[in-house]
Amino acid sequence: GEDVEQSLFLSVREGDSSVINCTYTDSSSTYLYWYKQEPGAGLQLLTYIFSNMDMKQDQRLTVLLNKKDKHLSLRIADTQTGDSAIYFCAEMGGTGFQKLVFGTGTRLLVSP
Amino acid sequence: NAGVTQTPKFQVLKTGQSMTLQCAQDMNHNSMYWYRQDPGMGLRLIYYSASEGTTDKGEVPNGYNVSRLNKREFSLRLESAAPSQTSVYFCASRIGGTNEKLFFGSGTQLSVL
Repeated sequence: GEDVEQSLFLSVREGDSSVINCTYTDSSSTYLYWYKQEPGAGLQLLTYIFSNMDMKQDQRLTVLLNKKDKHLSLRIADTQTGDSAIYFCAEMGGTGFQKLVFGTGTRLLVSP
Repeated sequence: NAGVTQTPKFQVLKTGQSMTLQCAQDMNHNSMYWYRQDPGMGLRLIYYSASEGTTDKGEVPNGYNVSRLNKREFSLRLESAAPSQTSVYFCASRIGGTNEKLFFGSGTQLSVL
């Protein structure tokens, strides 16, 4: 079945870049996503990339996809304390591509 | 717009009790999902419904049943609650097809004693 893995923690200083990594197993994935969860809240979509793309940039966010290695990364430039949250990658697969499977989440802590 | 509404927000059950978590969306979305979130485990898919009238198992369906009552509502039932089902439950919906955005409810914190 599908499996999506992430490291559990990342700590950076304000102003530095953060890179959060994710690996997945389903080679038929169509879309790959990054979600952000702040304490006590649901998940909000940050950005996504279609499986035929290598890179997508959206303001401070850069998503890189290595389809051969099934590796996805999210780079946050000029990380701010407000970026402290849990970040989830997710892949879309399943019958009719309706099944969204999430990774374990990476807790990002940004210190001043 | 209310978006995705989950009830209740908090619930405490005793082992063996049953309950139903309710979820409704007012965005005319086709696909609806139930996830559970546990520390260090991320979100795990329990069941999903790609369209009205269909349901499919996710990663962790055991101990749960679902009903897609109509296009708006997708309920999750625990027939005989166990302590291992203590978790935060999230309902989500998306329009389906190639639209990528998943909208989440605010979650239900469930404790089974």
